[in-house]
Parts: sequence; structure tokens; C-alpha cells
Amino acid sequence: GAVVSQHPSRVICKSGTSVKIECRSLDFQATTMFWYRQFPKQSLMLMATSNEGSKATYEQGVEKDKFLINHASLTLSTLTVTSAHPEDSSFYICSARARGGQETQYFGPGTRLLVL
Amino acid sequence: GENVEQHPSTLSVQEGDSAVIKCTYSDSASNYFPWYKQELGKRPQLIIDIRSNVGEKKDQRIAVTLNKTAKHFSLHITETQPEDSAVYFCAASIAGTASKLTFGTGTRLQVTL
Repeated sequence: GAVVSQHPSRVICKSGTSVKIECRSLDFQATTMFWYRQFPKQSLMLMATSNEGSKATYEQGVEKDKFLINHASLTLSTLTVTSAHPEDSSFYICSARARGGQETQYFGPGTRLLVL
Repeated sequence: GENVEQHPSTLSVQEGDSAVIKCTYSDSASNYFPWYKQELGKRPQLIIDIRSNVGEKKDQRIAVTLNKTAKHFSLHITETQPEDSAVYFCAASIAGTASKLTFGTGTRLQVTL
């Protein structure tokens, strides 16, 4: 149980294009999903907290207009990197917390984004 | 906000020895402390967690201790094996509606034969 998937697993795009990443909880309902960014050999940095049916809460320094988050259902959240630039290249990982569950977060497998 | 420090950044042990990783946190309201193992290019995997109403928790070769007064918690791995080699992250959060995790900087553990 508690499986989280992400799609795509890796993506290469040209500078200036937008990229959408999907995060799904496969066998449970997730009221809260989190989006992290991880640069090579660094820790996970929380970008935003996404609650189903409401606007995401962004961490300080994260541009909400650049990283669009939608949490339209209890099993799906999407992150869209708009007008991506090479400095946005990173490993993006989502996690989900089960509805009615405790604090445990289950992580997706991550999406490696390379912007040329 | 919460700040989590983690030491050491790298740790090399011989197979069969024990490994200890330590973390400190700043917010006394934090009451949930998970540990994650991340292999290269993979997702973080929860290996053990502890809540503030408990001082110690053990699961086979892995144990975590928590000192709320000193605001630090530690991961102990006994009888290390090569497959324990990975990056380990501690984290802290305040239980509640958000339960945001603040991660430590990670420890790269290398278990040598």
C-alpha cells in the first residue's frame, strides 16, 4: 500500500517551454501533497504544499507564477514549470500524505528535468 | 521556521560495524521525526520514524533515539551491510494540518567490505 507515482520520470526540454509533472497516489486518497526540488548531492527542499481543492501554499523564495500547482482531486496533483530555463534543471519529487492518516509522507519516484 | 542540522555529511564504516547519524532541530514544537534512505536517483524511502512521546524506537538493525530536552535525535544502524550504503536524511515536522517536513542536509553512508 501507499504507492505514489510520478510521470514523466525524466524530461528534456528547450529553454522557454513549459513542462507538466503529474503526481498520483495509487492506492489511497491524499488530502495533502508536497512538491520538493533536489539538486545534485543536496537535500530535499520543499517548494509548496498542495491541498485538494484549494490553492497551494508556496515556500519563501518559490515563484508561484513559475511553478504552477494544481491539486484537482484526492489522487492527483500536477506541477507545471512554466518558461523553463537551464537553472530549473533538477530532480522534482512529490510526496503524499494519506487522508485521515498520520504525518507519514510517501514519496514518488521523482522526475529528472533537464532544460537545454 | 524549523532548522534541522545533520552530521556527519559522510560516513564510512566497515561491514558489520555500527553507524550513527545525528540531527538537531530548532523548533521545540516539532514532534514527528522520520528518517529516510535515498539511493542514487531514487525516491526517499521511510526507514523509521519516532514521535515526541517516545524516547526510543527499534526495528531490527535500525533504531532511533530522541532527546526532546536537547532537541536532538539519532539514527543507529547495527551490523551494517553493503546494501545499507545510501544517503540518509533526517527530518522534523510539527504534527497538524500541514505537517511540512524540514529535512537535514543528508549523510552519505558507505559500507565497505
